[in-house]
Amino acid sequence: QVQLQESGPGLVKPPETLSLICTVSGYSISSGYYWGWIRQPPGKGLEWIGSIYHSGSTFYNPSLKSRVTISVDTSKNQFSLRLNSVTAADTAVYFCARHPYTGSSWYFDLWGRGTLVTVSS
Amino acid sequence: QSALTQPPSASGSPGQSVTISCTGTSSDVGGYNYVSWYQQHPGKAPKLMIYDVSKRPSGVPDRFSGSKSGNTASLTVSGLQAEDEADYYCSSYAGSNKGVFGGGTKLTVL
Repeated sequence: QVQLQESGPGLVKPPETLSLICTVSGYSISSGYYWGWIRQPPGKGLEWIGSIYHSGSTFYNPSLKSRVTISVDTSKNQFSLRLNSVTAADTAVYFCARHPYTGSSWYFDLWGRGTLVTVSS
Repeated sequence: QSALTQPPSASGSPGQSVTISCTGTSSDVGGYNYVSWYQQHPGKAPKLMIYDVSKRPSGVPDRFSGSKSGNTASLTVSGLQAEDEADYYCSSYAGSNKGVFGGGTKLTVL
């Protein structure tokens, strides 16, 4: 079955760049779908960060757009998140998810387990 | 874009029904039939329970149902079971290739 797995450093110093990778297994990213990143600060709610298509087409949450870059590597069946100039407010569990967006409908149907990233000096 | 508004908590006894609301604006919930709901148990990833306001993914019990009226969407859980105790989040399309989540509701089964 389709599985997603986040990986990357668990500790990032401010104001460095947070970098995470999501590896997809059981499905070829090149076959379709958008793929997204969502985060959840400890004890708080979910926040959509952005999404990418296998072609490289992206869209981002306007509140994070100036600091976020999402990219895709179809040869490795992975997509990545980079968030620059991080502060303690960026401490969160970061999830990757499949995003069946076609211009109509908006939901995330498969999720990775999430990875905690702590921003601290 | 602001987060959708959900009550912080809801509760019900086993076998009862409980409804969780999700209030937005005409720019998100009221403007599109693209509301989704997620269940999240502690330390786990969210699980999609409802999409497109009222559609259930395969494997989700029919005890879970969704609806929408104006700028407010609702998730109803009928025949409450102990395993339904979790946090629930709504989400909506907000136009121009962006979406928004609600603040979450903690459902307690008494």
